[in-house]
Amino acid sequence: QKEVEQNSGPLSVPEGAIASLNCTYSDRGSQSFFWYRQYSGKSPELIMSIYSNGDKEDGRFTAQLNKASQYVSLLIRDSQPSDSATYLCAVKEAGGGNKLTFGTGTQLKVEL
Amino acid sequence: DVKVTQSSRYLVKRTGEKVFLECVQDMDHENMFWYRQDPGLGLRLIYFSYDVKMKEKGDIPEGYSVSREKKERFSLILESASTNQTSMYLCASSSTSPTYEQYFGPGTRLTVT
Repeated sequence: QKEVEQNSGPLSVPEGAIASLNCTYSDRGSQSFFWYRQYSGKSPELIMSIYSNGDKEDGRFTAQLNKASQYVSLLIRDSQPSDSATYLCAVKEAGGGNKLTFGTGTQLKVEL
Repeated sequence: DVKVTQSSRYLVKRTGEKVFLECVQDMDHENMFWYRQDPGLGLRLIYFSYDVKMKEKGDIPEGYSVSREKKERFSLILESASTNQTSMYLCASSSTSPTYEQYFGPGTRLTVT
């Protein structure tokens, strides 16, 4: 069974630090990768998409993709208490139709 | 902006009742999905649809059915609600290639007593 794996955390970082969230996937043919942020009691919100190897930056967020090693990461610079949430990694697998496979998420806590 | 709406934020039903959860999207997306989310289990796909009147089973379809009569609307039906169906239900929609980005509705927290 195809899998997307994340460390459940919690990952605690001090305010202003860089938070690094990691995700590995098993399907080598996967082409599209996504990061979602989910606040407690709320629904997931798409924050980043990445489709090719390398880095993609959007404000304080940087997504990094390494298809050879089958991992995708999310860096959050200058972390703020408002970044405290669960971050879900999702992958569009080859041959998976239009579905995404989600990891179980990493809980991030940004401490004052 | 993509907008996905769900009929209720909170719902309380009794065991054995038939429950309808509705989802509407306004972005002309082909694909629509129903998930449930439980602590420690992550998002689990119940059913999805690629087109009107088309449906496919996800990972946990037992006890559920769906209906898609119009492109913008996707309904989840619990034929006879049970307590183990108490959960957060999330609807999502997406376009097809090239992006496949899914956008979620606000969710319905269903309690079955």
